[in-house]
Amino acid sequence: NAGVMQNPRHLVRRRGQEARLRCSPMKGHSHVYWYRQLPEEGLKFMVYLQKENIIDESGMPKERFSAEFPKEGPSILRIQQVVRGDSAAYFCASSPPGTGGPMGTQYFGPGTRLLVL
Amino acid sequence: AQSVSQHNHHVILSEAASLELGCNYSYGGTVNLFWYVQYPGQHLQLLLKYFSGDPLVKGIKGFEAEFIKSKFSFNLRKPSVQWSDTAEYFCAVKAGNAGGTSYGKLTFGQGTILTVHP
Repeated sequence: NAGVMQNPRHLVRRRGQEARLRCSPMKGHSHVYWYRQLPEEGLKFMVYLQKENIIDESGMPKERFSAEFPKEGPSILRIQQVVRGDSAAYFCASSPPGTGGPMGTQYFGPGTRLLVL
Repeated sequence: AQSVSQHNHHVILSEAASLELGCNYSYGGTVNLFWYVQYPGQHLQLLLKYFSGDPLVKGIKGFEAEFIKSKFSFNLRKPSVQWSDTAEYFCAVKAGNAGGTSYGKLTFGQGTILTVHP
């Protein structure tokens, strides 16, 4: 059973460009979470999605960042007009149906390292 | 809102030494607690988790952690480390009461890099 897949693994963008990060959850998982890890810091929660719904986006910056998890296809984290401060590792995690609550275990992908020049 | 503090940023040990990594959290309600490990070049993997019951939790690869509610701590231990334990270790908490929309998220500590010399 394949784990959580993220692509690309590394992404380089110039300031002002758009970055699209993709996450394919584990087979059968319907909950997706995005986390960001800035240099020298721990992972910070960004957003929690179920199919076609944003459940909790309390960690998302108010501007330039958006996320979706369509009925078909991977979850996408989109960063418009990137700035140098967006350089970070972005991790996606998934969990099975009914486990979005406190006792659900999240399974992580390998991350996408975004570098903004 | 919950927060997590890991005491050591970098720990260096020799093989066979004992390990204890500190983790303290701040949250007013029930919590569920996790330790994740990230080996070089790999994704985060779950080492162990605590939801309820016996506060001493055993995980994979000989790791264990003890939940001490009065100290808001969940320290990770291993009696004898190996070179292959070299990795970064993350403590994380999740609000333990279902309800609202924030119970899905994990709050992570800053991470502790463990280097084990052969």
